[in-house]
Amino acid sequence: DAMVIQNPRYQVTQFGKPVTLSCSQTLNHNVMYWYQQKSSQAPKLLFHYYDKDFNNEADTPDNFQSRRPNTSFCFLDIRSPGLGDAAMYLCATASPQETQYFGPGTRLLVL
Amino acid sequence: DAKTTQPPSMDCAEGRAANLPCNHSTISGNEYVYWYRQIHSQGPQYIIHGLKNNETNEMASLIITEDRKSSTLILPHATLRDTAVYYCIVSSAAYKYIFGTGTRLKVLA
Repeated sequence: DAMVIQNPRYQVTQFGKPVTLSCSQTLNHNVMYWYQQKSSQAPKLLFHYYDKDFNNEADTPDNFQSRRPNTSFCFLDIRSPGLGDAAMYLCATASPQETQYFGPGTRLLVL
Repeated sequence: DAKTTQPPSMDCAEGRAANLPCNHSTISGNEYVYWYRQIHSQGPQYIIHGLKNNETNEMASLIITEDRKSSTLILPHATLRDTAVYYCIVSSAAYKYIFGTGTRLKVLA
């Protein structure tokens, strides 16, 4: 049974056109994370939510925003995608001091 | 957060043990060592974690040195499906994982 679900698995957008990626979880975890992973690189943390508290990494561009309307869902909004934002976007969840569970990722292509 | 250092790549013969090292010389007392792997185009998969004692589960064993400055992940009988990038991560109660560059393990038939 899928525990961390990301939709869609592949997303194509146009340069400058806002795009939203979604993540949902069935684990009831307090913490949800968004990572960006570019080709042949390690995942890089963008931000995370602890319940409703939003924690942004210092080097995350302003172009990236997130929303968490309830425990189960978390969204990644890219306001004006550039060619450099093409990547795999990974969502993960965790309970405090527990291991992180990752979703399958959404691969974003910017044309 | 503590940083980790791993060899960029390793090969292992199918059926043999794969021993993947990780250095984390600046680890602090409350930080755990986690191992994940990522098969091409999938999300990272949890393997095992530990604080200071050696750990074993159905997937692997984790050996942590007494000074906790390094660890080794052991896949006892590697198969072709174990070909992946393996990440060693140290993390405290801040809940944040900082991924290092990982080790690309190739299991050879």
